[in-house]
Amino acid sequence: QVQLQQWGAGLLKPSETLSLTCAVYGGSFSGYYWSWIRQSPGKGLEWIGEINHSGSTNYNPSLKSRVTISVATSKNKFSLRLSSVTAADTAVYYCARGAPDFYYAMDVWGQGTTVTVSS
Amino acid sequence: QSALTQPRSVSGSPGQSVTISCTGTSSDVGGYNAISWYQQHPDKAPKLMIYAVSVRPPGVPDRFSGSKSGNSASLTISGLQAEDEADYYCSSDEGSYTYVKFGGGTKLTVL
Repeated sequence: QVQLQQWGAGLLKPSETLSLTCAVYGGSFSGYYWSWIRQSPGKGLEWIGEINHSGSTNYNPSLKSRVTISVATSKNKFSLRLSSVTAADTAVYYCARGAPDFYYAMDVWGQGTTVTVSS
Repeated sequence: QSALTQPRSVSGSPGQSVTISCTGTSSDVGGYNAISWYQQHPDKAPKLMIYAVSVRPPGVPDRFSGSKSGNSASLTISGLQAEDEADYYCSSDEGSYTYVKFGGGTKLTVL
């Protein structure tokens, strides 16, 4: 059974760079798209971007200038970097798998990481 | 890029049916069949309930069904149960499958 485990710094100051990593256990890394999604306190879901095993990426246009998603295929991991954070970036961040069998809907999710941006 | 439009809340009694709508444009919901629905209980990660407009992943009860007409998609939950009380989000591809857009979410209350 595929599991995603994510980790990263939970408290940042404004202007710092958010960095999170998600590891894939119990399944193939190839053939899927790997996404990051966030949820601000009391708000809805916001898709940040995705990457496949070969490093091809797609980003939310509203965040594209500050986002980098990268992959470490040999280690079955992918990472998110979000630069110049502000309080508006405070959210729970999730990693998720987009499966081709499900039209790339996100069928497996990480446990979520709470990131707070505060001076 | 604005979010897809969902009602803020819906409610129903056990055993009843409820329908949650998700309205977009011809650039997202109306233009793609990559429409998904997610269920999220408090402090939990979302769970995929419907993909490709109307297909249930393994393990999702057949009480959950999806449909689409024009620029709107819908999730119907029949035979409501207490455990169905949660937030529900729709999502759609946009821009030649390069961007995923979510709805604002709907809180389902089982009375």
